[in-house]
Amino acid sequence: GQQLNQSPQSMFIQEGEDVSMNCTSSSIFNTWLWYKQDPGEGPVLLIALYKAGELTSNGRLTAQFGITRKDSFLNISASIPSDVGIYFCAGQQNTGNQFYFGTGTSLTVIP
Amino acid sequence: DTEVTQTPKHLVMGMTNKKSLKCEQHMGHRAMYWYKQKAKKPPELMFVYSYEKLSINESVPSRFSPECPNSSLLNLHLHALQPEDSALYLCASSQDQQGELFFGEGSRLTVL
Repeated sequence: GQQLNQSPQSMFIQEGEDVSMNCTSSSIFNTWLWYKQDPGEGPVLLIALYKAGELTSNGRLTAQFGITRKDSFLNISASIPSDVGIYFCAGQQNTGNQFYFGTGTSLTVIP
Repeated sequence: DTEVTQTPKHLVMGMTNKKSLKCEQHMGHRAMYWYKQKAKKPPELMFVYSYEKLSINESVPSRFSPECPNSSLLNLHLHALQPEDSALYLCASSQDQQGELFFGEGSRLTVL
């Protein structure tokens, strides 16, 4: 299946810092989704992107659909302790196809 | 709060047991999914139902048997599992197999 590479694999940051992570693929995707997952819980949808170049915000979170349609980016501003978790991207090539998941970025926020 | 509800939240079973995981959504979605997730790994797709018909089976062993009784319900029947099947099992739903994919809180399965 398709492989989505996320980077960085893990991040350790101070509370209040901004965070950037990305998701890249060798194939074109028509939908990008970003999730946060806490231990033992299901992934929670943060942002959905549907158009190349689209920039969408959800509170302190901002995500972008790359113009090449092969990548997506997630930024978190002014991080807080509850931002701790694993962030996954997911991409879908066409309607009816499965969603492919990225390898995940583990975020630790140091108070 | 998630609108995809999974039960039970935790399940411990022996290798000879038969058990079932259940999932329910009331968002009017017509596609429902089962994923398996190991610790610190991304979810792995197992099955997709679209309009109550199985549309994707990712070569899952027959000891896992999905069932979609109606558009709101999805079951996963488990029989003769192996210890390596221990994982978090996630149910998800979406509108017409496109757009936003919503997950339940998961069922933590331990096979002894």
